[in-house]
Amino acid sequence: KNEVEQSPQNLTAQEGEFITINCSYSVGISALHWLQQHPGGGIVSLFMLSSGKKKHGRLIATINIQEKHSSLHITASHPRDSAVYICAVRSMGNEKLTFGTGTRLTIIP
Amino acid sequence: DVKVTQSSRYLVKRTGEKVFLECVQDMDHENMFWYRQDPGLGLRLIYFSYDVKMKEKGDIPEGYSVSREKKERFSLILESASTNQTSMYLCASSPDRRGGYTFGSGTRLTVV
Repeated sequence: KNEVEQSPQNLTAQEGEFITINCSYSVGISALHWLQQHPGGGIVSLFMLSSGKKKHGRLIATINIQEKHSSLHITASHPRDSAVYICAVRSMGNEKLTFGTGTRLTIIP
Repeated sequence: DVKVTQSSRYLVKRTGEKVFLECVQDMDHENMFWYRQDPGLGLRLIYFSYDVKMKEKGDIPEGYSVSREKKERFSLILESASTNQTSMYLCASSPDRRGGYTFGSGTRLTVV
């Protein structure tokens, strides 16, 4: 079993829909990251969080440390949100990240 | 705007060649990382460095080596490229344990 599991693996939605991507992990962590990767490969860091909730524009990330679960929400989705979203965790006492395999999101106009 | 720059976006090399992938960051970050990304496997750590001339093996170091002679530059070396090293390679840096990560735009390496 992977230390970091994401669901769903693929998600297709209509423009304007509310999107939720989930991430579960099995180890104690010091931080969880949400990353975005567009076609072409470059990765952009969206959020780093260790508790509660963060919001940036139409993106919201939440984390429940007790349940070892995080969600990434996108409100009023747009075709430009189409990308692969990756969850990664930094284990306690560790400099390294462990990554989920990503969720491929496609928003149809 | 802070940056991690990888020297090549696309690279095609022959089996047996020695390959250098370069990564430079302009943020004075302590930590630098090399990952490879393969379909269905996600990003896997090859090597990382937490200081100049310091390096540690990641999860899949076999067939690779690294060099960090200056703080801003972290090089990944494929001593003798093989076809199973065809992959997307991503470099990243972070200031310390509390900081976020900044990624480069990736190098897609094909070994033929």
